[in-house]
Amino acid sequence: DAGVIQSPRHEVTEMGQEVTLRCKPISGHDYLFWYRQTMMRGLELLIYFNNNVPIDDSGMPEDRFSAKMPNASFSTLKIQPSEPRDSAVYFCASRAGTGGRTGELFFGEGSRLTVL
Amino acid sequence: RKEVEQDPGPFNVPEGATVAFNCTYSNSASQSFFWYRQDCRKEPKLLMSVYSSGNEDGRFTAQLNRASQYISLLIRDSKLSDSATYLCVVRLNDYKLSFGAGTTVTVRA
Repeated sequence: DAGVIQSPRHEVTEMGQEVTLRCKPISGHDYLFWYRQTMMRGLELLIYFNNNVPIDDSGMPEDRFSAKMPNASFSTLKIQPSEPRDSAVYFCASRAGTGGRTGELFFGEGSRLTVL
Repeated sequence: RKEVEQDPGPFNVPEGATVAFNCTYSNSASQSFFWYRQDCRKEPKLLMSVYSSGNEDGRFTAQLNRASQYISLLIRDSKLSDSATYLCVVRLNDYKLSFGAGTTVTVRA
C-alpha cells in the first residue's frame, strides 16, 4: 500500500512568493494532520481535518497560512506571502479513526521549504 | 512550560551498550504515551506504545510513571541501526499528540 504522499519534497522560494504544499493521505484514513518541524520548536501541529472538515486550526501561525481538503484523497497547505521564518519541514500525516490504543500517525516524507 | 520535555542528548554509545533516557510531560490528564523514531532527514515513525505496566519490544523497554509524569525508553545491546532521534509523544485527547523535541542517540562501532 502506498503511504502518505507529499509534494514537493523540496521547495526553495523567495520571500513574498506563494507556496503550495500537497498531500495525499492513505486511502481510508479519515484524519489528516499538517505538522511543521524546526530545530527550535520541534514538531508543531498546524491543523487537522476529520472527514475533509477542518476541526482545529489553532496551530496555524497566522493568516498567511491556509489549508484545504477538497476531498478524501487530497489536501493542500498554502503560505501566502512566504517569509524566511516559514523555512521548515512540513509533514502531512494521516490516521484511521482515533488511532486506537496505538495512536499511530502515518507521516509522509515531508516537504522541506526554504524561503530566502 | 512545554507539554513534553526531553533531554536532547546526544547520547553517544558503543555498539552493545545499554542506553536509557526519559521524558517528562506536564498534563496529568494525558491519556496515552508513545515513542516515535525519526532518522536523519526522514519522517517520524511509531516505535512503540508505552503501557502503564511497562512493556518490551525486543531490545526496547518502555516505562511509564504517572505519579511523577515521566516516560522512559531503554535500549539494550545497541546496534548501529539504532542511531536516530527518539521522540516522546503524549496523547492529550482523541486527536492531539504532543511531540517532544527528541533525544538523539548515536551508536558507534
